[in-house]
Parts: sequence; C-alpha cells; structure tokens
Amino acid sequence: KQEVTQIPAALSVPEGENLVLNCSFTDSAIYNLQWFRQDPGKGLTSLLLIQSSQREQTSGRLNASLDKSSGRSTLYIAASQPGDSATYLCAVKGYSTLTFGKGTMLLVSP
Amino acid sequence: KAGVTQTPRYLIKTRGQQVTLSCSPISGHRSVSWYQQTPGQGLQFLFEYFSETQRNKGNFPGRFSGRQFSNSRSEMNVSTLELGDSALYLCASSQDDSRNSPLHFGNGTRLTVT
Repeated sequence: KQEVTQIPAALSVPEGENLVLNCSFTDSAIYNLQWFRQDPGKGLTSLLLIQSSQREQTSGRLNASLDKSSGRSTLYIAASQPGDSATYLCAVKGYSTLTFGKGTMLLVSP
Repeated sequence: KAGVTQTPRYLIKTRGQQVTLSCSPISGHRSVSWYQQTPGQGLQFLFEYFSETQRNKGNFPGRFSGRQFSNSRSEMNVSTLELGDSALYLCASSQDDSRNSPLHFGNGTRLTVT
C-alpha cells in the first residue's frame, strides 16, 4: 500500500525567503506525482505535475523535482510572498488510486 | 471556462439519514473522481468514473456509492450516515483517463453529521 509523507507539517518563513517542501513515497511504481495548494475552506489547485519519466517541472517561482528510485520529491518556492501562504499537498498516482500526503502548512509573513 | 462545480456547499444531516452530493466537471472533461478530506485522515480517494463507468474504488464501505451520467456530471451518495462521515467531500475532473491528465478540483461540499 502506497504511503506518502510530507515534511515539515508546518513551516513559517519571512517574505522573500526561498524554501523547500519535501514529499516521500514508499512505492516507486507510479505514473506521476502532482503538487497542489489548498487555501482554507477551498478545493485544491494544481501547481505542477511530474510524469514518472521526468525529473523536474517548473512554473514561475515554483520548481518540483522527482527522484522515483529514492521515492522523493521536492517543491522549491523562490522568493516567497504572503500570497503563497496555504497548505501544500503532494499526491502520487499509482495504477489504481491517487494517494495524498497530509500536507505542509506554509505561512509567509510580511 | 467554468471550473468544477460542487453542490451544495454545505450540508447538515443527522445520523441514519442519507445524502446526495453533486459534481459538474469542467466542460469537455470526461473523468470525475471523489475524495473525502478529514483532519485526521487527510485526503482519501473514494472512487473514479470515466464515461459512466466506475474505474477505481477506494477503501470505503458500501454505504458510499456514486454514479456518472452521460453528460459527465457525477453524484455521490452516502447512506445510513455516521458521525465519522463528517468531512469535506471534494470532486475533481480531468480531461480523460490518461495517466498524466492533471486534476482540477471543485471547492467541495462540507458535510456535517449530527
């Protein structure tokens, strides 16, 4: 059974800092890994999707990497802003299901 | 293009009742999946539909069921509600059932069981 772990559970940084969120998974037989953000009381917004054959994806200030063999992914956020404050979740797509981590709650203070 | 629409946004039910939640996917999307989100368990996969057929099912009891209509809209039913069913229920759609089709989520239905 796939298990997805996100570290840290919560993170507080001042505006402007670069930061890294971590995601690890136990079963490397995956199709892709997706990073989402969730604002309080809302649904999830897709940030980046990395296919199993890819090593990284970039979108603006976000860069996600995937090391399938070691079961790890990182989400790098450059020059953080207060608007980046949200919960970030990673999700791993296996053959029959999508498994989520419990998320990292990020607070960026001005 | 309108996003994924879930109705209702909030629902309060009592134990033993049943409930139906609705999800309208993004126009042109044919795959719909459902998830339960609770503080303790996080996000858990319920089931996935494509072209009116259930493709995958998560580890939930038979009280949880769903269906998809020919216009890709989907409904989820929970019968004999229990207090533990209180959660945010999220629906997501994707263009097709390919392995790498990104998911687009609705804002969810907040179900409270008293």
